[in-house]
Amino acid sequence: DTGVSQDPRHKITKRGQNVTFRCDPISEHNRLYWYRQTLGQGPEFLTYFQNEAQLEKSRLLSDRFSAERPKGSFSTLEIQRTEQGDSAMYLCASSSSPLGYEQYFGPGTRLTVT
Amino acid sequence: AQKVTQAQTEISVVEKEDVTLDCVYETRDTTYYLFWYKQPPSGELVFLIRRNSFDEQNEISGRYSWNFQKSTSSFNFTITASQVVDSAVYFCALSAKGGSQGNLIFGKGTKLSVKP
Repeated sequence: DTGVSQDPRHKITKRGQNVTFRCDPISEHNRLYWYRQTLGQGPEFLTYFQNEAQLEKSRLLSDRFSAERPKGSFSTLEIQRTEQGDSAMYLCASSSSPLGYEQYFGPGTRLTVT
Repeated sequence: AQKVTQAQTEISVVEKEDVTLDCVYETRDTTYYLFWYKQPPSGELVFLIRRNSFDEQNEISGRYSWNFQKSTSSFNFTITASQVVDSAVYFCALSAKGGSQGNLIFGKGTKLSVKP
């Protein structure tokens, strides 16, 4: 197994542009999570999928953010009309059921909004 | 409310010293899970250990050991005979059933620097 992969690893964009990130979880994992990590902080939960269903969204996830997981495999996170405050590391993690199992993280996508 | 506090922002030790990283958690749930993750300079979070709230046995894995005490809501991590490769940011995290669907609540992390 190759672990969780994320693409791209780095993204620099201008304020106001849209960006999309991709996450490929570990193949047998049905749960997929998105987190955001800013400098000097721990990761903060954004949203969660079980298979293709998006079951929860954090209040951190403004209406400019949208996530999908078609067919319960890879997931995409889109940020529309990026703002400088969106600059962060976006982490994807996957885990298997049941609740409470450890989550395995990908290398992250570092977003810089100029 | 669910919360994880890692009071030590940065710790610096010399190689071969023992070091303990503190973690205090808050939750009203009786069923919960605690985790430690390591984030080396490369950036990828590496899973170290998971404990559930019903298992207070301490655990040892090589130079790593964990002390879970429900009475003080603490889940401390000790590295024995530290090595330069242990330099990283270490995060303690909580997953509680009364919270969201298993999402992890992280502390702010402790940056450990091990000098040769």
